Amino acid sequence: EPEVTQTPSHQVTQMGQEVILRCVPISNHLYFYWYRQILGQKVEFLVSFYNNEISEKSEIFDDQFSVERPDGSNFTLKIRSTKLEDSAMYFCASSEGQLFTEAFFGQGTRLTVV
Amino acid sequence: AQSVTQLDSQVPVFEEAPVELRCNYSSSVSVYLFWYVQYPNQGLQLLLKYLSGSTLVESINGFEAEFNKSQTSFHLRKPSVHISDTAEYFCAVSVGGSGGGADGLTFGKGTHLIIQP
Repeated sequence: EPEVTQTPSHQVTQMGQEVILRCVPISNHLYFYWYRQILGQKVEFLVSFYNNEISEKSEIFDDQFSVERPDGSNFTLKIRSTKLEDSAMYFCASSEGQLFTEAFFGQGTRLTVV
Repeated sequence: AQSVTQLDSQVPVFEEAPVELRCNYSSSVSVYLFWYVQYPNQGLQLLLKYLSGSTLVESINGFEAEFNKSQTSFHLRKPSVHISDTAEYFCAVSVGGSGGGADGLTFGKGTHLIIQP
């Protein structure tokens, strides 16, 4: 069964460092998303991406965040200068379409900023 | 803006007993409602969803949820749980018009269902 894969499963980084979280969406999907979950809190929407551009983003997704689809298979989330409060589980998701289609989530990357 | 409340952070239940996981939402417009499940060390999986039509929706593994507009609820139920149902369950809402995709899903904090033998 096709699945969304995320690497690494756990990333530890020093405050102020840049980090790139990687995702391989399901191959025929066109819509891609990042969500995050700070420990003990809700899963929060960050950004959606379609046709090589951001289609929607939340207020969490500020200038320190960026997304990219560098090739035909990967979808990345970059955090330019990490802060302690960026520590969270980051989930990538993809869907075939936007209307009435299921979003498939990856297993998540646990980011720890020290 | 919409919000989702899952009052119970943890629900312990004996095996083969019934369970209800509560979910309430608030929104000024029509919504689509979802339950996602996260098994240990796995990603979020869609369990069931309400988009329109019958207010009672069912999953393939025996869970069901009923959309109650007057009570703004979408509680998840199962008449007899199994050890394998141990997982984190997330209720989510999407505002009508976004089409039910992951665009702008608002999640609850999750309920950890613990099945005791």
